[in-house]
Amino acid sequence: AQKITQTQPGMFVQEKEAVTLDCTYDTSDPSYGLFWYKQPSSGEMIFLIYQGSYDQQNATEGRYSLNFQKARKSANLVISASQLGDSAMYFCAMREGLGRRALTFGSGTRLQVQP
Amino acid sequence: SQTIHQWPATLVQPVGSPLSLECTVEGTSNPNLYWYRQAAGRGLQLLFYSVGIGQISSEVPQNLSASRPQDRQFILSSKKLLLSDSGFYLCAWSARGGTVLTDTQYFGPGTRLTVL
Repeated sequence: AQKITQTQPGMFVQEKEAVTLDCTYDTSDPSYGLFWYKQPSSGEMIFLIYQGSYDQQNATEGRYSLNFQKARKSANLVISASQLGDSAMYFCAMREGLGRRALTFGSGTRLQVQP
Repeated sequence: SQTIHQWPATLVQPVGSPLSLECTVEGTSNPNLYWYRQAAGRGLQLLFYSVGIGQISSEVPQNLSASRPQDRQFILSSKKLLLSDSGFYLCAWSARGGTVLTDTQYFGPGTRLTVL
């Protein structure tokens, strides 16, 4: 089974509008961390935001917020006030359990911001 | 501030040739270091990670190897490249001392490898 599922291969949003990128995850481990990365066309993976499984509040970082619904195992990224520079691939990733180093990545969502 | 460098940025190599990709980190000591590969249009797959000099863990069996000769240097190698080794290779670092769940990995600019 897929550990991280991103069901939206591509999304369009108008500049200055908000957009939600979906991510669902699958784990039986009570301890895990969820990450979102942005990958522009240059290829570099840019860390955006982190949510821990024990965190009580949704994470926020500037225009990025994470809508964490633990019971539904979803960790959607919300980008407010989209900018043209937000056009990129967005990846959701998870690290589960103690001692494991690997980040498991989803297949990504390509976001295109239109003027 | 910390920076991570990778070179070369792009590489075209014939099948059967050797490979050496280098990654260096500046501005931090004793980092955890990682090598990932990204196939076209896909997410990343962890290949190797290192928690210290000479300490390498392999996540998947493959044609590649990794070494960490210095604290902030991580090298990805192959003796004989295969066509399937083509891809985008990303090095990442994370700070020592955080918990395994919270330590965030920061990525370098990547190396695009094409094996012909």
